[in-house]
Amino acid sequence: KAGVTQTPRYLIKTRGQQVTLSCSPISGHRSVSWYQQTPGQGLQFLFEYFSETQRNKGNFPGRFSGRQFSNSRSEMNVSTLELGDSALYLCASNTGRQEYSPLHFGNGTRLTVT
Amino acid sequence: GQNIDQPTEMTATEGAIVQINCTYQTSGFNGLFWYQQHAGEAPTFLSYNVLDGLEEKGRFSSFLSRSKGYSYLLLKELQMKDSASYLCAVKLWETGANNLFFGTGTRLTVIP
Repeated sequence: KAGVTQTPRYLIKTRGQQVTLSCSPISGHRSVSWYQQTPGQGLQFLFEYFSETQRNKGNFPGRFSGRQFSNSRSEMNVSTLELGDSALYLCASNTGRQEYSPLHFGNGTRLTVT
Repeated sequence: GQNIDQPTEMTATEGAIVQINCTYQTSGFNGLFWYQQHAGEAPTFLSYNVLDGLEEKGRFSSFLSRSKGYSYLLLKELQMKDSASYLCAVKLWETGANNLFFGTGTRLTVIP
């Protein structure tokens, strides 16, 4: 079974621009969660999508948004980029149906904002 | 807010045993995960504890004490490939199964 795939692996953007990141979950997984990873803060939860609906949301500003398609693939968008948005963005999937179901992470997209 | 603490760095010798601690102060605790992350790679699931006690899985074991807000990951017979960051993550009742609160991770270096 293929793992979680994130594209692109690396992105360099300028302040004020917007960016879209893509995530393909493991086949059969209907839940996709997004996390931001920085050296100082560790992994922080952005949001989770299940069956095309946002099921849960972390404490990030509205510039961070996402969506999920009928095939469970998900995209995350960040508008009006700030220098502090430079981070590794990780996507994770699971079935979303069990109380205990470990997250399967992708290798992430490293975003650099200059 | 949630507070999850881990040591930043640890060093241990190949073949030895190392214990990585995680303490947490949260409300509505509903389980604790350990993940391993090699540099430049995805975090991978190691263990899950929701009840007090020890869970053993090969060379790796994880312990939880809910009353003390404390967990540890025990790695036995250390190998060079165990050099990685180890992430402790807590799940809460009210915030959903996939909204995990992570510590900043412990970077373990295994030396010959």
